[in-house]
Amino acid sequence: NAGVTQTPKFQVLKTGQSMTLQCAQDMNHEYMSWYRQDPGMGLRLIHYSVGAGITDQGEVPNGYNVSRSTTEDFPLRLLSAAPSQTSVYFCASSYLSGRNTEAFFGQGTRLTVV
Amino acid sequence: GQQVMQIPQYQHVQEGEDFTTYCNSSTTLSNIQWYKQRPGGHPVFLIQLVKSGEVKKQKRLTFQFGEAKKNSSLHITATQTTDVGTYFCARYNFNKFYFGSGTKLNVKP
Repeated sequence: NAGVTQTPKFQVLKTGQSMTLQCAQDMNHEYMSWYRQDPGMGLRLIHYSVGAGITDQGEVPNGYNVSRSTTEDFPLRLLSAAPSQTSVYFCASSYLSGRNTEAFFGQGTRLTVV
Repeated sequence: GQQVMQIPQYQHVQEGEDFTTYCNSSTTLSNIQWYKQRPGGHPVFLIQLVKSGEVKKQKRLTFQFGEAKKNSSLHITATQTTDVGTYFCARYNFNKFYFGSGTKLNVKP
């Protein structure tokens, strides 16, 4: 199993450009989520999904869109990139079994907006 | 709110010294998880605690969940250079994970 795969690993965008960060998981997990990581601020939830066709906003959703057409894929779209979106982005998938859960993270995408 | 507060933000230790990071919540937690992120890497799950007063050990790592389920700690005995990284606590609630800001551990050989 590859686990959670994110592409690209690095990206530089100009202000105003749009792009899609790809995320795929092969563990058949129902739950998927996107986080951004900034220095000293931990991981902040952008959007999440509890299954195909179902998405919801997290703590910092502005400027980002998501969709979940399949269980495996959960792309994150930046509509019009801004320097404030310079960050490291992580996609995660998780399961829930009784009271047990665990998040599996992708390798991350380091995004710079100039 | 949903956030968990984590202290300290940074910790520098000499190899062989002990290390502890603390996670605190203003509300009762149904569970607490701990993750480790190596420099340049991604967070990796270490453990989950769900019971009041629970203590779990993984080799040199000891995890505790407070009696009131409002705080947790991760203690590393006799740190090694392989322990370098950022340690995050996280709470899971209604399909979402809420992460603390992390404690960055540096170990000097």
